[in-house]
Amino acid sequence: AQSVTQLDSQVPVFEEAPVELRCNYSSSVSVYLFWYVQYPNQGLQLLLKYLSGSTLVKGINGFEAEFNKSQTSFHLRKPSVHISDTAEYFCAVSVNNQGGKLIFGQGTELSVKP
Amino acid sequence: KAGVTQTPRYLIKTRGQQVTLSCSPISGHRSVSWYQQTPGQGLQFLFEYFSETQRNKGNFPGRFSGRQFSNSRSEMNVSTLELGDSALYLCASSLGASGLADTQYFGPGTRLTVL
Repeated sequence: AQSVTQLDSQVPVFEEAPVELRCNYSSSVSVYLFWYVQYPNQGLQLLLKYLSGSTLVKGINGFEAEFNKSQTSFHLRKPSVHISDTAEYFCAVSVNNQGGKLIFGQGTELSVKP
Repeated sequence: KAGVTQTPRYLIKTRGQQVTLSCSPISGHRSVSWYQQTPGQGLQFLFEYFSETQRNKGNFPGRFSGRQFSNSRSEMNVSTLELGDSALYLCASSLGASGLADTQYFGPGTRLTVL
């Protein structure tokens, strides 16, 4: 079975500092990887995705993530965060032959302080 | 293009009642998936419909059911509501044809409170 672990439930950081949100997955088959962001009282918005090809993926709002197959990780990074980045971030995987089913991590609450 | 829409946005029900939630996917999308989000369990997959057929199912009791219409709109129904069914229910749509690499686009959710 597949699983996703987000290693930090909360990450406080000061504005303009860099941030890394960690995600590890477990799967015996190839997976596709996603990061979503959820602002209060809203649905999920896709930040970026890794399907194949280059292991460094760039997304919206200045975020990027690197797929590391040997370490089964897909960490999310941003070199300089803004107050508006305060939100909950979810890492997710989808598995071949399981259509639209996404398996999510527990989420990381990013809190950006002035 | 209009995004994924969900109605109603908020619902309050009492134990034992049933509820129906609606989801309209992005125009042209044929796959609709449903997720339950709670503070304790996080985001959990309920089921996926593609071309009016259930293509995938999560580990939820039979009280949770869904359907999809020919225009790709989907409904999910929860019967005999329990307090633990209080959650944010999210709907996501995708093109669906490839079955895997499609991006899932999420709606704003329906907040269900069971009293």
